Amino acid sequence: GAGVSQTPSNKVTEKGKYVELRCDPISGHTALYWYRQSLGQGPEFLIYFQGTGAADDSGLPNDRFFAVRPEGSVSTLKIQRTERGDSAVYLCASSLRGREEQYFGPGTRLTVT
Amino acid sequence: AQTVTQSQPEMSVQEAETVTLSCTYDTSESDYYLFWYKQPPSRQMILVIRQEAYKQQNATENRFSVNFQKAAKSFSLKISDSQLGDAAMYFCANRGSNYKLTFGKGTLLTVNP
Repeated sequence: GAGVSQTPSNKVTEKGKYVELRCDPISGHTALYWYRQSLGQGPEFLIYFQGTGAADDSGLPNDRFFAVRPEGSVSTLKIQRTERGDSAVYLCASSLRGREEQYFGPGTRLTVT
Repeated sequence: AQTVTQSQPEMSVQEAETVTLSCTYDTSESDYYLFWYKQPPSRQMILVIRQEAYKQQNATENRFSVNFQKAAKSFSLKISDSQLGDAAMYFCANRGSNYKLTFGKGTLLTVNP
């Protein structure tokens, strides 16, 4: 079956602009995670959804970052007033409920100029 | 808080030889999982092997095996009969009761023909 998909694959934006990154989890997976991977680093946790609600958003760096999952499937990560430091690969993962293996998407590479 | 340390930024191995990647971690939880993920240039994180902390027996998956030393908080990955396709970044990760993965900084593995 289809894996986790993320769009766009690459996004270049100017400092100060607003961006949206989309994640399509594996069908039937109730848990969804966002991670951010800066150059030369391992992924860092941003937010975890169980169904439609954010069960843990402790990794969001500041209030410019926001994520939604209105119907418990597709999720959108929204970044306002982007800064050059936001440049990174944003990875999405999903799992069947929560404790199971997380399956990752190919990520979105965000570049803020 | 959980931490994961990978002390080898880069490793290299000859094709068909064996290589061991090191990982140490710290956690205050008694129930946790440890993982090794592979990330090729395509960016997609692929699960290589997982270990439940309560299991004493080391996990194995074909050519991949781990040496789990719980008291020392060490979790190394051994790759036997290395193949060119094994070349990638390898990340060690820990997951506790809060479901989120904590990753190390990664080890870049090169396989020489």
